[in-house]
Amino acid sequence: NAGVTQTPKFQVLKTGQSMTLQCAQDMNHEYMSWYRQDPGMGLRLIHYSVGAGITDQGEVPNGYNVSRSTTEDFPLRLLSAAPSQTSVYFCASGDGRVSGNTIYFGEGSWLTVV
Amino acid sequence: GESVGLHLPTLSVQEGDNSIINCAYSNSASDYFIWYKQESGKGPQFIIDIRSNMDKRQGQRVTVLLNKTVKHLSLQIAATQPGDSAVYFCAENTGGFKTIFGAGTRLFVKA
Repeated sequence: NAGVTQTPKFQVLKTGQSMTLQCAQDMNHEYMSWYRQDPGMGLRLIHYSVGAGITDQGEVPNGYNVSRSTTEDFPLRLLSAAPSQTSVYFCASGDGRVSGNTIYFGEGSWLTVV
Repeated sequence: GESVGLHLPTLSVQEGDNSIINCAYSNSASDYFIWYKQESGKGPQFIIDIRSNMDKRQGQRVTVLLNKTVKHLSLQIAATQPGDSAVYFCAENTGGFKTIFGAGTRLFVKA
């Protein structure tokens, strides 16, 4: 039972480089989201999706792009990495109920931008 | 991996004592609240949830209390164990699909 799978686990980027964090879930969840977690800041919502073909912005969307071409996958793209994007990134999925949408998290991706 | 939450509020309790972790939420329109536990190097894990039409819900060793008047949520852990040491987050469902997290509290359990 894989749940939510994120890759890579660790990544070091140079400023200006681009990369994609991959996220896949095998629970047939409609709702998927990306959070970043900085020390002392808790989790902040970057982007989310309520179904294939639909995405929306969260609290801190600038510098990130997402797409949702399938129910299973929700990649997060950094087009031009900045040191301020050094963080731990968590992907999550939920069954998409309007009320009571419990979400389940992946194990995280540690990103360092130098 | 690097530790997260290095500057979070901290609660230190003796093993066997009860723990109470508090959270203030922001949106009076939120209708669903969740508590998550995050151990070092791992993603948050679901603990317990509560809907806005309730003021108390109990699970195994955990109880969540909701006070909508003052927008306050608490998590009570009975007979706290060393394995309960972690960072605890409350979260609110705002606008249905968006789940917004509080800053978190680090719980230390002393043996």
